[in-house]
Amino acid sequence: GAVVSQHPSRVICKSGTSVKIECRSLDFQATTMFWYRQFPKQSLMLMATSNEGSKATYEQGVEKDKFLINHASLTLSTLTVTSAHPEDSSFYICSATESVIYEQYFGPGTRLTVT
Amino acid sequence: AQSVSQHNHHVILSEAASLELGCNYSYGGTVNLFWYVQYPGQHLQLLLKYFSGDPLVKGIKGFEAEFIKSKFSFNLRKPSVQWSDTAEYFCAVNAGFQKLVFGTGTRLLVSP
Repeated sequence: GAVVSQHPSRVICKSGTSVKIECRSLDFQATTMFWYRQFPKQSLMLMATSNEGSKATYEQGVEKDKFLINHASLTLSTLTVTSAHPEDSSFYICSATESVIYEQYFGPGTRLTVT
Repeated sequence: AQSVSQHNHHVILSEAASLELGCNYSYGGTVNLFWYVQYPGQHLQLLLKYFSGDPLVKGIKGFEAEFIKSKFSFNLRKPSVQWSDTAEYFCAVNAGFQKLVFGTGTRLLVSP
């Protein structure tokens, strides 16, 4: 089956620094990747949709300058949390999909803790 | 805007009991419907999906769901749960552009 990986699985950073999270589709080409945020005991909230080679589309309320998304290839998307604050601490999950097939494959998530 | 509601936030069952988790969505057009499961410490996995055709969909691990268009519902069922079914279950709807809207999730605890 389709596999999506994320790196790192856990990261702790200091307030004010930036951290990059990678999302890779390992055995298929992902024309579209999605970034979600999951708060404890809550559902997944879509942050942005990224298509390879174009700018990401952000959901309402998500700061574009804070959460930088790059989808440079058909197998890699990155999310950079800039000038991190403790309130950015969360579980970030990516998913990927091939074109046409409306099924998303999810990565294992990245636990970000900002101190 | 689309929305998905899951009626039960927490469900506790004994092994061999039957399971039904409710899911209702609000969108008047054509939808694709999904149930995902998240086992403790693991990533989201697809249990089953409905795109078109037979409204009774069978998924992995003995799960099934029924799409009732008139009720805007897509309830998940399993005749006999096992301890290993302890997990969080998410209903999701896609009404175009591959964007999924998730419900708030239902935590299922199956006691042995």
